[in-house]
Amino acid sequence: AQSVTQPDIHITVSEGASLELRCNYSYGATPYLFWYVQSPGQGLQLLLKYFSGDTLVQGIKGFEAEFKRSQSSFNLRKPSVHWSDAAEYFCAVGARAGNNRKLIWGLGTSLAVNP
Amino acid sequence: GAGVSQSPSNKVTEKGKDVELRCDPISGHTALYWYRQSLGQGLEFLIYFQGNSAPDKSGLPSDRFSAERTGGSVSTLTIQRTQQEDSAVYLCASSLASHESYTFGSGTRLTVV
Repeated sequence: AQSVTQPDIHITVSEGASLELRCNYSYGATPYLFWYVQSPGQGLQLLLKYFSGDTLVQGIKGFEAEFKRSQSSFNLRKPSVHWSDAAEYFCAVGARAGNNRKLIWGLGTSLAVNP
Repeated sequence: GAGVSQSPSNKVTEKGKDVELRCDPISGHTALYWYRQSLGQGLEFLIYFQGNSAPDKSGLPSDRFSAERTGGSVSTLTIQRTQQEDSAVYLCASSLASHESYTFGSGTRLTVV
């Protein structure tokens, strides 16, 4: 079955601390992976995506993620968190090709940042 | 347009009434998607359009839900005889082509009372 698991429902970090948000997936084909962020009252914004090539991808706002095929993971990282990073983060997986166009989404991780 | 536009942003309706939700995608985006986001449930796929056709409507929860897209642009999601369990945020997204990253609208928050 296709699924995305974000094990941490809620994380609190101090401003300036490093951050890692976990994402594990189960998908039959080689996946296309995404991280989106949703700030309060805002729409979902793409942070980064992995399609092929270098398994370490850089995104906006200083975020990066690493695709590890052996672990079926695509964890999101940021070396130093800012207060404005407080938001809901979603990992999603989709097919690279074929007729299946929909994305499978995790339930999200809510990030709080302490000053 | 500059982004994906959804209207209305909020809709409160009485149980049993019909509602129409509108999505205006980014100009030139051929792929359009509808998702539903319920509290604690994550995003649930509803339907996908490529141009005006809907190759995948497997996520529509029941025959009360329907959607159309005209002119390869605007899409309307219609929910007939609304039920309380239909309350959610309905998100529309578009992409330049399928298998590309989405741009989401801000959503329509539907409350059925």
